[in-house]
Amino acid sequence: QSVLTQPPSVSAAPGQKVTVSCSGSSSNIGINYVSWYQLLPGTAPKLLIYDNDKRPSGIPDRFSGSKSGTSATLGITGLQTGDEADYYCGSWDRSLGEVFGSGTKVTVL
Amino acid sequence: QVQLQESGPGLVKPSETLSLTCSVSGDSISSSSYFWAWVRQPPGKGLEWIGSLRYNDGPYYSPPLSSRVTISLDTSKNHFSLKLSSVTAADTALYYCARLERTGHGSSVFDYWGQGNLVTVSS
Repeated sequence: QSVLTQPPSVSAAPGQKVTVSCSGSSSNIGINYVSWYQLLPGTAPKLLIYDNDKRPSGIPDRFSGSKSGTSATLGITGLQTGDEADYYCGSWDRSLGEVFGSGTKVTVL
Repeated sequence: QVQLQESGPGLVKPSETLSLTCSVSGDSISSSSYFWAWVRQPPGKGLEWIGSLRYNDGPYYSPPLSSRVTISLDTSKNHFSLKLSSVTAADTALYYCARLERTGHGSSVFDYWGQGNLVTVSS
């Protein structure tokens, strides 16, 4: 049972926008930053967003992040077939340590 | 370019100890700037943090696993290791090693990951 809650799946057509939500509590997201990771089968997970809304070098600005209260959101605009993957949010919990979301599968229709 | 690579057996018997190693290139694990971590993903399930440590700090373990986990650094080989004792089928998972940057202001970021090592627990 994951500490952070995400929808199991979201989908949209190529070129459209999707958002992935991540819900936590006052013990984690409410007091700490959120990161987002992209998982593709057979490859190393990739950091997409850190400190709620910052992109590492090389991550296109089609990917964005935001946080409000105890929830965070990942946005992907201009959806591409290569964006089909599983996406996870992560944060730090004052009792449990590093915690992750339940994961969301993004499907490009 | 920082690179991490997991290695170890793909099959472990129930009740035995799972042992994995993560070789690091492009960074020194003896630097105190970063933590070195293990994360796992059981089949069809989400990511689960196992534990982290950095030179002269930690280790820190996930509370549910803390009684069975040992993470250690070998600075002479620039690699770090995971040992998980008394394994059961529930420990079957893809095990990742990762570099973790944690700051004092509440930021916690896994910025580099290995590709993962699938470990199956079965007799």
